[in-house]
Amino acid sequence: GEDVEQSLFLSVREGDSSVINCTYTDSSSTYLYWYKQEPGAGLQLLTYIFSNMDMKQDQRLTVLLNKKDKHLSLRIADTQTGDSAIYFCAERVTGGFKTIFGAGTRLFVKA
Amino acid sequence: DADVTQTPRNRITKTGKRIMLECSQTKGHDRMYWYRQDPGLGLRLIYYSFDVKDINKGEISDGYSVSRQAQAKFSLSLESAIPNQTALYFCATSDLDGYGYTFGSGTRLTVV
Repeated sequence: GEDVEQSLFLSVREGDSSVINCTYTDSSSTYLYWYKQEPGAGLQLLTYIFSNMDMKQDQRLTVLLNKKDKHLSLRIADTQTGDSAIYFCAERVTGGFKTIFGAGTRLFVKA
Repeated sequence: DADVTQTPRNRITKTGKRIMLECSQTKGHDRMYWYRQDPGLGLRLIYYSFDVKDINKGEISDGYSVSRQAQAKFSLSLESAIPNQTALYFCATSDLDGYGYTFGSGTRLTVV
């Protein structure tokens, strides 16, 4: 069945780069997403990538997609304490009627 | 005002009680969703609606019901709440183009 997996925790020092990884199962996914959830808030869409792209860059964020391995990553350059949050990977499954979310990766940024 | 508003933000209720969670949106989106978030499990889809006359069950619809009162309003009901329905509930909307969801701030529900 459809599944999205990601590690639960990541800890980095302020100023370092963070890389959050995700694997998915639906090879025909059309869109893949990264969402950010801050404490007490809903999920906020950070960025998305079409399945026919390999990379997308948006300021400090870089998304890499390896379709062969069904692997998606989010790199945050110059990580700041304000980046501390839970990051969710998600895929829009074939047919487009629903989105599958991973369990979320909690990013800790140490000053 | 927020694009997607959920009420209440927090609620404690007793086992067996009926409770309704409400969601309204100003995005003008046709598609609306209810998700449940549990620690370590991510978000799981409860119900979704593509327009006022279209309601569909998600992966965990048992014990829940929904009503789409208008394009902008989508409510979730627990007919007889039980403790394992204690969770954070999110409403979300999307357009047809796949550019991601807009989420509300969530309702934290505790069933005692």
